[in-house]
Amino acid sequence: AQTVTQSQPEMSVQEAETVTLSCTYDTSESDYYLFWYKQPPSRQMILVIRQEAYKQQNATENRFSVNFQKAAKSFSLKISDSQLGDAAMYFCAYSNGAGNMLTFGGGTRLMVKP
Amino acid sequence: EAQVTQNPRYLITVTGKKLTVTCSQNMNHEYMSWYRQDPGLGLRQIYYSMNVEVTDKGDVPEGYKVSRKEKRNFPLILESPSPNQTSLYFCASSLLPPTRTVQFFGPGTRLTVL
Repeated sequence: AQTVTQSQPEMSVQEAETVTLSCTYDTSESDYYLFWYKQPPSRQMILVIRQEAYKQQNATENRFSVNFQKAAKSFSLKISDSQLGDAAMYFCAYSNGAGNMLTFGGGTRLMVKP
Repeated sequence: EAQVTQNPRYLITVTGKKLTVTCSQNMNHEYMSWYRQDPGLGLRQIYYSMNVEVTDKGDVPEGYKVSRKEKRNFPLILESPSPNQTSLYFCASSLLPPTRTVQFFGPGTRLTVL
């Protein structure tokens, strides 16, 4: 079974600074997808960024980018120019090539200090 | 407005009393799914449905039932709830399986089983 591990239960960052959230996963598949979701206090789940394993180029979405290290099975999220609205729980997630299921990590709570 | 709705949003019940949490989407999505969220464990998939009358188990299906008689609705049924099912539940839907398209999450249902 696939597992997703987020080793940082909590992180904090100063407004306008950069922060990196860690995620590692375990799989024997070669075709899979990785995601970062944001869960603000409203509890809604919002997709932040998505990476296909076959793509070597790291995905980026505005201030959010990933560092995808396939051999190391690592998928970290970098948030640049942190804003107060970035404060939330962040979940890393994995899905195999068939894509029917998502496996989530335990989450990292990000606090942004003004 | 495109959305996923869940009812009720909050529920306190007692062990053994059957309950149903409803989920409805108005986006004509094929794929629907139920997750539970517990501290430190992230979200875990309970059941998912690829289309009407097609459902399959996720990672933690024990103690839950689902049905998909119509495309828009995907109720979660707890026939005999137990305290270990106290959790935050999310319904999600997407046009295609989650690797291929964005999943829309409902607002969550906080369930407490005494």
